[in-house]
Amino acid sequence: GIQVEQSPPDLILQEGANSTLRCNFSDSVNNLQWFHQNPWGQLINLFYIPSGTKQNGRLSATTVATERYSLLYISSSQTTDSGVYFCAVDFGNEKLTFGTGTRLTIIP
Amino acid sequence: GAGVSQSPSNKVTEKGKDVELRCDPISGHTALYWYRQSLGQGLEFLIYFQGNSAPDKSGLPSDRFSAERTGGSVSTLTIQRTQQEDSAVYLCASRAKRGTGELFFGEGSRLTVL
Repeated sequence: GIQVEQSPPDLILQEGANSTLRCNFSDSVNNLQWFHQNPWGQLINLFYIPSGTKQNGRLSATTVATERYSLLYISSSQTTDSGVYFCAVDFGNEKLTFGTGTRLTIIP
Repeated sequence: GAGVSQSPSNKVTEKGKDVELRCDPISGHTALYWYRQSLGQGLEFLIYFQGNSAPDKSGLPSDRFSAERTGGSVSTLTIQRTQQEDSAVYLCASRAKRGTGELFFGEGSRLTVL
């Protein structure tokens, strides 16, 4: 069936470290978004990236649609980066299917 | 408003009562979604409205759940005869047009059924 898998499920890093979060999906996609859910539960849009590469400050993302994966890079981590990162994919049915998330904890 | 607005932000109710949750999407957005997030879990799709088309109700977990969207704008999610397993955060999202573009989420309505 249609699946969105994220890895790793949990990641604990020292402040200043870099990280790579991965999202694998099972079929071709119309849209793909990365979200950060902060400790207060708010979903913050990071990237709308059905293909290609985008950068926004310390964050960047790459989607290789033909190989069915997307990567989120976080450089020089800060404690405010802590939270859960979700990848969400539209497989052409106009609904976002969410992965199970990566919980990131940045230690000062 | 500038973003997706949801109310109430918190709702505590007794098992068996009905509840209504409201979503006001970003002005001009034609697509509106309801999702549910149980504690520590990912987001589960519930229902999708697009313009004047019939809604996609394929994610509603039971017939106790219903939703409507009036005038192509505000939406209300109704849960009848609430059960403890309905406790979750209910999130609304909107998108400018069908088929493409970002979804923007509101801050959610946290429902606790005692």
